[in-house]
Amino acid sequence: DVKVTQSSRYLVKRTGEKVFLECVQDMDHENMFWYRQDPGLGLRLIYFSYDVKMKEKGDIPEGYSVSREKKERFSLILESASTNQTSMYLCASGGNTIYFGEGSWLTVV
Amino acid sequence: GQQVMQIPQYQHVQEGEDFTTYCNSSTTLSNIQWYKQRPGGHPVFLIQLVKSGEVKKQKRLTFQFGEAKKNSSLHITATQTTDVGTYFCAELRTTSGTYKYIFGTGTRLKVLA
Repeated sequence: DVKVTQSSRYLVKRTGEKVFLECVQDMDHENMFWYRQDPGLGLRLIYFSYDVKMKEKGDIPEGYSVSREKKERFSLILESASTNQTSMYLCASGGNTIYFGEGSWLTVV
Repeated sequence: GQQVMQIPQYQHVQEGEDFTTYCNSSTTLSNIQWYKQRPGGHPVFLIQLVKSGEVKKQKRLTFQFGEAKKNSSLHITATQTTDVGTYFCAELRTTSGTYKYIFGTGTRLKVLA
């Protein structure tokens, strides 16, 4: 079974804090993705990566950065968290179909 | 953004009733995939459609890709409480070997017993 593991299920952070969301996959996939999910807006692509150290902006990259130093790991970074970044963050990996992690619920207060 | 629109946003049905969600794009879709997310869970792949007018079935679920490849639908016959969740359509776009998934806004289904 494909496993995509997100490091934290629930986080509460203060405005202005730097936040790291980690994601690891065990299927040797080249492609990895970060989405955020908000009611009524569906899944919106923040960043994706097609190889180690390669990244591309998705539809809503502002306020986020990513890191892909190893093939199995894709990190999402909020340089200075803001309340409008309170959301559910989903990591995924795959090719012709994608597999999601369990999600990380981030609350910024 | 480049999102694909889905309607309705929410749907409540009585158990045993049918349910349909629609996915619409202003541009031609190269393919369409459908995912289901149970409450508290993560999206899970259901099926992919590629050909114009394609219809695929999975037990009580029927998936259809429009003739113009600008829309798709998912129909559930005689809903059960296990069908509860949010259904997403998505387009896989491949460019120079990179893969990018564009998801619809989702339809949240509630089934009343």
